[in-house]
Amino acid sequence: GQQVMQIPQYQHVQEGEDFTTYCNSSTTLSNIQWYKQRPGGHPVFLIQLVKSGEVKKQKRLTFQFGEAKKNSSLHITATQTTDVGTYFCAGPTDSSYKLIFGSGTRLLVRP
Amino acid sequence: DAGITQSPRHKVTETGTPVTLRCHQTENHRYMYWYRQDPGHGLRLIHYSYGVKDTDKGEVSDGYSVSRSKTEDFLLTLESATSSQTSVYFCAISDPSVGAANEQFFGPGTRLTVL
Repeated sequence: GQQVMQIPQYQHVQEGEDFTTYCNSSTTLSNIQWYKQRPGGHPVFLIQLVKSGEVKKQKRLTFQFGEAKKNSSLHITATQTTDVGTYFCAGPTDSSYKLIFGSGTRLLVRP
Repeated sequence: DAGITQSPRHKVTETGTPVTLRCHQTENHRYMYWYRQDPGHGLRLIHYSYGVKDTDKGEVSDGYSVSRSKTEDFLLTLESATSSQTSVYFCAISDPSVGAANEQFFGPGTRLTVL
């Protein structure tokens, strides 16, 4: 069946360092979404990418969608302690309203 | 945050007992979902609903049932809880008429422990 994989599972960085998480799908995706979950909290939608090769930025966060629409990445420049949390990618399944989530990348930031 | 509540927020129960978790929304969103979250597995879809009385199975539906008799309420029932169902359960909602991405909005979660 369809799978969405994320690496790394954990990343521990010093505040100010950059961070990247990668998402790979076993199938071509019509779009990809990214969510952030703070410790003890619930997932919160960050962004959706739709076009092949699309790049979107939100302040220090840069999201990319691969040319083949099977992979994506999230890059955070100069991490801050407020970036701590788990980042999930998610892609639609056989229906546009159902998502399959990656296993997430947990980011820890040392102050 | 979207108007989604889950109850109870925490529950400890014993193996073999029935458990019902409730998700309530005030957003009038068409779609509702139940996920479980376990370390290393991310969010896995249990069941979802695409309208009142319209539900379908997700990827990990065994041992769970759902009901949606009103737009605002989506119930998840564990008929006979097992220790493997110890998890954090999240409800989510979405509607294609809201936002540009048909993104999902999550409730605060229910932490269930089955002893």
